[in-house]
Amino acid sequence: SQTIHQWPATLVQPVGSPLSLECTVEGTSNPNLYWYRQAAGRGLQLLFYSVGIGQISSEVPQNLSASRPQDRQFILSSKKLLLSDSGFYLCAWTRRGVGSEAFFGQGTRLTVV
Amino acid sequence: KQEVTQIPAALSVPEGENLVLNCSFTDSAIYNLQWFRQDPGKGLTSLLLIQSSQREQTSGRLNASLDKSSGRSTLYIAASQPGDSATYLCAVRPSYNTDKLIFGTGTRLQVFP
Repeated sequence: SQTIHQWPATLVQPVGSPLSLECTVEGTSNPNLYWYRQAAGRGLQLLFYSVGIGQISSEVPQNLSASRPQDRQFILSSKKLLLSDSGFYLCAWTRRGVGSEAFFGQGTRLTVV
Repeated sequence: KQEVTQIPAALSVPEGENLVLNCSFTDSAIYNLQWFRQDPGKGLTSLLLIQSSQREQTSGRLNASLDKSSGRSTLYIAASQPGDSATYLCAVRPSYNTDKLIFGTGTRLQVFP
C-alpha cells in the first residue's frame, strides 16, 4: 500500500530564518506531488505541483520554493521566512494520469515568530 | 474562475441523525469531485471520489452524489456517530488537463452523544 510521510509535524521559526519541509511517498512510482497551504479560516491553496524529478510548477507568487530531487521526494523551502508564511502545510500525491484520487500527508504546522 | 462553497460552515447534531453536507461549485465543467475529512490539526483523509460521469459513490455509511448541471454535490452521512466529528471538505478538479484541486472552506461537524 502507499503511504505519504511529512515532517516535521510542528515547527516554530523566527522571521528571517530558512525553512525546509520534506515529504516522501512510499509504495508507488512516478507520482504527481503537491504542496498546499491551509491558512486559518480559509480553504486549501495549491502552492506547487510536480509531475517529475526537477519539474516544478508554481501556482502563486510567494516567498517559498519547491524542489523534487528524487522521484518520491518533494521539498518546500524558503531562504528567509516572513510572518505571513505561518500556516498549515500539506503535501499530497496522485497517481500519474489525470483524474486520480488525491492522498494527503499529516501536515506541518509552521509558526513564524 | 471556479469557486467552491460549502454550507453550512458548522453543524452540531445529536448522535444517530442522518446528515446532509452541501458543496456547490460555480463552473459545471469539472472532471471530478472529491470529499475529504480533516480532524483537528491533522491532514486530509480521502472519503469518496466521484468522476464527472458518475452520479454517486458509496462507502459504508457515506454516500456522495454529484449533479454537474446544477453545480452541486452532497455528502450523506447515515446514523451519525461522535467519531464522525471533523471538518468535511469538498474539492473539484476543474478539467481533464490539470491535477489541481479547488477546495471549499469546509463544514465543521460535531456529533454529540
